[in-house]
Amino acid sequence: AQSVTQLGSHVSVSEGALVLLRCNYSSSVPPYLFWYVQYPNQGLQLLLKYTTGATLVKGINGFEAEFKKSETSFHLTKPSAHMSDAAEYFCAVTPPGPGGSYIPTFGRGTSLIVHP
Amino acid sequence: KAGVTQTPRYLIKTRGQQVTLSCSPISGHRSVSWYQQTPGQGLQFLFEYFSETQRNKGNFPGRFSGRQFSNSRSEMNVSTLELGDSALYLCASSSKRGLAVDTQYFGPGTRLTVL
Repeated sequence: AQSVTQLGSHVSVSEGALVLLRCNYSSSVPPYLFWYVQYPNQGLQLLLKYTTGATLVKGINGFEAEFKKSETSFHLTKPSAHMSDAAEYFCAVTPPGPGGSYIPTFGRGTSLIVHP
Repeated sequence: KAGVTQTPRYLIKTRGQQVTLSCSPISGHRSVSWYQQTPGQGLQFLFEYFSETQRNKGNFPGRFSGRQFSNSRSEMNVSTLELGDSALYLCASSSKRGLAVDTQYFGPGTRLTVL
């Protein structure tokens, strides 16, 4: 069984400040990890994903995340917040590997609020 | 390239009725997945279709069903609606099976309200 915990349902930052959104997972095997963003009245958009290889993953819009196996974490960061980053962010995990049976598990989401 | 489209965008039904939601994937995509998003339960996987076959199913009652047509368009059906079925239903498409191997592109969702 796998689970995802996103610490903090709301995170508030000032424009230009560091963004840090936390994600911890529980899985019987090292999973594949994802971060999605959802703007109001829209579907989800993939920000970045970790499957194998380099543990620091760079995504779109200046976001990056680091997979830390020892801490079972996949925190999302951005050096400088922009007003347009205000949205809901979701961390997700899925069992690794192509094909086969998979069911993705999502965290409850973190709402990022950016103050001018 | 047109994105994933979902129709209708908004729907109001009453308890006991049934509803059918439609999803048109990105051209060339053969995998369609459905998700339910509610404030209480968050985002939950419903099922995935690939080449007209259901490949995976989440933990939802049999009232929730779906199908996929030869052109990859998909429909999901909810019978005997309950108040708790009120949610945003999201559809996502990808060219290959599995979130692990291919990026899923999400539609804007259908907002279902059950009264």
